[in-house]
Amino acid sequence: AQSVAQPEDQVNVAEGNPLTVKCTYSVSGNPYLFWYVQYPNRGLQFLLKYITGDNLVKGSYGFEAEFNKSQTSFHLKKPSALVSDSALYFCAVRDGGTGANNLFFGTGTRLTVIP
Amino acid sequence: DSGVTQTPKHLITATGQRVTLRCSPRSGDLSVYWYQQSLDQGLQFLIQYYNGEERAKGNILERFSAQQFPDLHSELNLSSLELGDSALYFCASSGAQGYNEQFFGPGTRLTVL
Repeated sequence: AQSVAQPEDQVNVAEGNPLTVKCTYSVSGNPYLFWYVQYPNRGLQFLLKYITGDNLVKGSYGFEAEFNKSQTSFHLKKPSALVSDSALYFCAVRDGGTGANNLFFGTGTRLTVIP
Repeated sequence: DSGVTQTPKHLITATGQRVTLRCSPRSGDLSVYWYQQSLDQGLQFLIQYYNGEERAKGNILERFSAQQFPDLHSELNLSSLELGDSALYFCASSGAQGYNEQFFGPGTRLTVL
């Protein structure tokens, strides 16, 4: 069975400091991993994905994520947080070995960047 | 703007009623997905269609059904509504490959009174 865990419901970080939002996953085959962001009263916006290749993936708005196969993790990072980064972040996984393409989402992490 | 449109934006109805949510995917996308977002259940996959055919089913109740039409738009039908069906319903679309990211519409907020 596929699953994703986001161990932190809430992350607070000061503006200008680096941020990390954690995600661990479980799949039976090779993982396809995604990060999405949700602003209030909006749909989910795609940030970045890992399919194969380099473990460090760069995405939109200066975000990046590091894939770690041994730790089954895919943490989202940004070197310098902005107040406008405050939002709800979702990690998602798809099992690359199955026929269905639907995503399994984590419970979300609310990021608050403090001015 | 993701290119995925959903109507209506808000829907308020009573228990026992039936509603239809509509989704138009991004131009060229053959896959459509429906997700439900609620406070207690989080984001849950309901159902996927690919080029008119059902491809995968998730935690979709028997009272719910969906279809994808020849023009690729999709409708999610919710019947015998209960208070617990109140949620945000998202449609997403993607290309055919599993590694394609999904693009989400703005959602339909359903309130069942």
